[in-house]
Amino acid sequence: GAVVSQHPSRVICKSGTSVKIECRSLDFQATTMFWYRQFPKQSLMLMATSNEGSKATYEQGVEKDKFLINHASLTLSTLTVTSAHPEDSSFYICSARLDRIYGYTFGSGTRLTVV
Amino acid sequence: EDKVVQSPLSLVVHEGDTVTLNCSYEVTNFRSLLWYKQEKKAPTFLFMLTSSGIEKKSGRLSSILDKKELFSILNITATQTGDSAVYLCAAVNSNYQLIWGAGTKLIIKP
Repeated sequence: GAVVSQHPSRVICKSGTSVKIECRSLDFQATTMFWYRQFPKQSLMLMATSNEGSKATYEQGVEKDKFLINHASLTLSTLTVTSAHPEDSSFYICSARLDRIYGYTFGSGTRLTVV
Repeated sequence: EDKVVQSPLSLVVHEGDTVTLNCSYEVTNFRSLLWYKQEKKAPTFLFMLTSSGIEKKSGRLSSILDKKELFSILNITATQTGDSAVYLCAAVNSNYQLIWGAGTKLIIKP
């Protein structure tokens, strides 16, 4: 089945540094990738929609200069958290749309902790 | 504003019980409704519902969509401790974006 590989699964970084999260579609082409964050005991919050070869569309309240999304190829989308702060600590998940039957597939998520 | 509301927010039952989880939605240009199970990591897909009134089944789980009343239910029969998880529903809008509910935390006691 269609798999999205997300790395790293867990990262701890210092305040002020940048962290890059990668999502790769392994056996299909993901023209559209969705990026979510999830706070403890809360649902997924859509951050942005990225389309291959074009600029990402960010949801209201999400800083595009802080959360840089690049979707340079049909199999790779990246999210870079720039100048990370402790409040950026969260669970980040990517998702790619599949087809009418199976809907969407998710990466395994990245647990980011900023200290 | 698009929104999805799930109820109850949490539920504790005993093994063997049957549970019904609810999901109502208000989404512009609705396309479909999805159910996911989330344990420790990313959600795992359960069902995608696009047509009203057609029940989808997978083992002890089943789900149905009512597009007139704008809701869906997820049933789990003969529950097992392994069913303990957060169950999320999401409505897909015209841009193929998922509007997520807050989830129902289900705890199955032995």
